[in-house]
Amino acid sequence: DQQVKQNSPSLSVQEGRISILNCDYTNSMFDYFLWYKKYPAEGPTFLISISSIKDKNEDGRFTVFLNKSAKHLSLHIVPSQPGDSAVYFCAASAKTGANNLFFGTGTRLTVIP
Amino acid sequence: DTEVTQTPKHLVMGMTNKKSLKCEQHMGHRAMYWYKQKAKKPPELMFVYSYEKLSINESVPSRFSPECPNSSLLNLHLHALQPEDSALYLCASSHRDRGISPLHFGNGTRLTVT
Repeated sequence: DQQVKQNSPSLSVQEGRISILNCDYTNSMFDYFLWYKKYPAEGPTFLISISSIKDKNEDGRFTVFLNKSAKHLSLHIVPSQPGDSAVYFCAASAKTGANNLFFGTGTRLTVIP
Repeated sequence: DTEVTQTPKHLVMGMTNKKSLKCEQHMGHRAMYWYKQKAKKPPELMFVYSYEKLSINESVPSRFSPECPNSSLLNLHLHALQPEDSALYLCASSHRDRGISPLHFGNGTRLTVT
């Protein structure tokens, strides 16, 4: 049973435009959310996180938005760069419990120069 | 460059072999993890070690045996694997095993069981 879902397997965006990656979750106990980026032949790299006490967290070109009522989060990348082309995984955990991350299936982002 | 180092990068083994995967981190993290990732699937948790003690075993078959010799090292001993165990095995570490503490992953070991 997939508790974290990324319904778009792929996304293509022009360089300089905004990339929006979406993620939905079903477990209301999740209160800590992360985005990871993965290049081929490498492990996932931590990108940005958000706690459920916030609805937005920003780090440079990356912003994560959390809508708790909709159990939805999104990652905005602006401006998008060709080096951002990778697979992006959304992950969630219940921070009061053991740090067991539940991952989504990933979205492959392609930024076109 | 990742701060979590995994060896080997690739491993091919027969179903009767015994092999080990190794993971090392020097970030002072006290929690270490093994994840398994099949093609086009998300990583799935196998084991969690917290302060060198096994704290989570996600019903993993006994042919996978984890070991944490010290706070910097994590091994995964493999014996009598099946072809369906072929996957990318990812090691990760975090500052602590609960709370707001992002996991940092190694580049993985690509395992093929023949």
